[in-house]
Amino acid sequence: DVKVTQSSRYLVKRTGEKVFLECVQDMDHENMFWYRQDPGLGLRLIYFSYDVKMKEKGDIPEGYSVSREKKERFSLILESASTNQTSMYLCASRVGGDSPLHFGNGTRLTVT
Amino acid sequence: AQKITQTQPGMFVQEKEAVTLDCTYDTSDQSYGLFWYKQPSSGEMIFLIYQGSYDEQNATEGRYSLNFQKARKSANLVISASQLGDSAMYFCAMRTLLAQAGTALIFGKGTTLSVSS
Repeated sequence: DVKVTQSSRYLVKRTGEKVFLECVQDMDHENMFWYRQDPGLGLRLIYFSYDVKMKEKGDIPEGYSVSREKKERFSLILESASTNQTSMYLCASRVGGDSPLHFGNGTRLTVT
Repeated sequence: AQKITQTQPGMFVQEKEAVTLDCTYDTSDQSYGLFWYKQPSSGEMIFLIYQGSYDEQNATEGRYSLNFQKARKSANLVISASQLGDSAMYFCAMRTLLAQAGTALIFGKGTTLSVSS
């Protein structure tokens, strides 16, 4: 079974802090994704990566950056956290083509 | 623009009844794929079923079937014989080309299904 692991289930940070959300997958998937989930808005794509050191913006990249130095790891970075970034963050990976996404359990981030 | 629309914020059904969750999509891609995911209250995202745009037959997986109507751009999920454990949020998603070498899934806003005894 594919395993996608997000380093924290819950995180509380202060406004202005730099925040790192880490995600690791164990199935050698080329593609990795970061989504944000908010009530009534569904899942919105922040960034994705289709190869090491490659990244592409999704629908809502503002205020975020990403890093993919190794194939199995995809990090989401909030350079200066703001209260409107309080949300559930979901990491996912897939092989490609029409394969489904495999999701981590999510990180619920609260910015105060 | 690529878009997934789920117009039913909430649906209510009794056990053993069938239920249809609506999903319409908009895309300019010639080839695309449609997915349904289930998210129970625990928060995990569970893949249910997939339909390719060139598949002529509707996809089925156990009690789940996907009613694919390409001309209408709809991909409705049908759950037969609902069970209490089907109570969850359901998301429709579409694979779309977002970059020269990258495809991603875009999601609808979801439908909350409540199954009662």
